[in-house]
Amino acid sequence: ETGVTQTPRHLVMGMTNKKSLKCEQHLGHNAMYWYKQSAKKPLELMFVYNFKEQTENNSVPSRFSPECPNSSHLFLHLHTLQPEDSALYLCASSPRDSSYEQYFGPGTRLTVT
Amino acid sequence: ILNVEQSPQSLHVQEGDSTNFTCSFPSSNFYALHWYRWETAKSPEALFVMTLNGDEKKKGRISATLNTKEGYSYLYIKGSQPEDSATYLCASRSGSARQLTFGSGTQLTVLP
Repeated sequence: ETGVTQTPRHLVMGMTNKKSLKCEQHLGHNAMYWYKQSAKKPLELMFVYNFKEQTENNSVPSRFSPECPNSSHLFLHLHTLQPEDSALYLCASSPRDSSYEQYFGPGTRLTVT
Repeated sequence: ILNVEQSPQSLHVQEGDSTNFTCSFPSSNFYALHWYRWETAKSPEALFVMTLNGDEKKKGRISATLNTKEGYSYLYIKGSQPEDSATYLCASRSGSARQLTFGSGTQLTVLP
């Protein structure tokens, strides 16, 4: 257990649905991250939050909308996704956004039909 | 090298064999190199963080070396066991970037 949990672990959604992914960390960290892993590709950073403020948006389409209500929780709101958005979405946290270590959750496997 | 590259992409070894794989990363403005171990359906688990040229780190049967001048790191596993089967990820951070850049990983399968 890394201290980072993600729900749901699996999600199937249609292109017109709205859904949210949730991440929670129990490590007292101040930075949280969303990564995307598509098949056979490296982990791609999507968003970074540091002390609840978004510090990085890696040119992510607006159909992905992050929310960080406090340092322990991070959401990724999804709407009007495309089939090519099907991927594994990983959350991570670290003491601050330039820290050495990032601790990862197990990911949400998303399938868009 | 602009990206982080790992080789081989996948590897099958017999139980008891020793093995190693490579991570190549941009050597300019190097800051840190990370190795993660990622078992299927679990969270990636941090193995090592390395910052100094010539650094060598060890955890049990797994060790790693770092050459920041030429931009590569090796991960070694001595006497592989089936429970070592996982994807091994490396990620680098350069001085100008605040975030990690990941390689695609080496998928290791240890056959009993």
